[in-house]
Amino acid sequence: NAGVTQTPKFRILKIGQSMTLQCTQDMNHNYMYWYRQDPGMGLKLIYYSVGAGITDKGEVPNGYNVSRSTTEDFPLRLELAAPSQTSVYFCASSYSRPPGPYNEQFFGPGTRLTVL
Amino acid sequence: DAKTTQPTSMDCAEGRAANLPCNHSTISGNEYVYWYRQIHSQGPQYIIHGLKNNETNEMASLIITEDRKSSTLILPHATLRDTAVYYCIASINTGTASKLTFGTGTRLQVTL
Repeated sequence: NAGVTQTPKFRILKIGQSMTLQCTQDMNHNYMYWYRQDPGMGLKLIYYSVGAGITDKGEVPNGYNVSRSTTEDFPLRLELAAPSQTSVYFCASSYSRPPGPYNEQFFGPGTRLTVL
Repeated sequence: DAKTTQPTSMDCAEGRAANLPCNHSTISGNEYVYWYRQIHSQGPQYIIHGLKNNETNEMASLIITEDRKSSTLILPHATLRDTAVYYCIASINTGTASKLTFGTGTRLQVTL
């Protein structure tokens, strides 16, 4: 299993440009997540999805959009990039088996985005 | 989710046990304690979780106080590869997506 893969690894955008960060998992996980991590800070949840066709906002959704057309893919779209979106973006997935306690999130390697 | 408080940084000699504390005094009865770590710029990695009993796996042990207001993550024989930021998170698990709240964690430096 490749686990959670993200592309690209690095990207530099100009203010106002748009792009899509790709995330794919091959573990057949129902749940997927997007986080951002600013320098020296913890991770903040942007959006999450509990299955194909179902997404919901996290703590910091403004400026981003997501879609979930398949179980495997959960792309994150940045429209009108701004310097405040300079960050490292992590995608994660998990399979929760209710009502059990197990809920481990598996993270991808991250995408480093700079907006100039 | 309950707020957690961790020391900003800790040092540990290689081969010794690393004991990382976490306070979660407002934790509710259905919130689990999760520990993750992040090794230099990589994605976080799950370590262990527990509700009220002590837990052990191949990576670490988790000791939760009887009143559940604090916990300690124990790496029994720390190595240089354990140098990382360790996050303690309190979160419910009802079978829906777990929206984990990562604070700034404890930066553990393992030295020779």
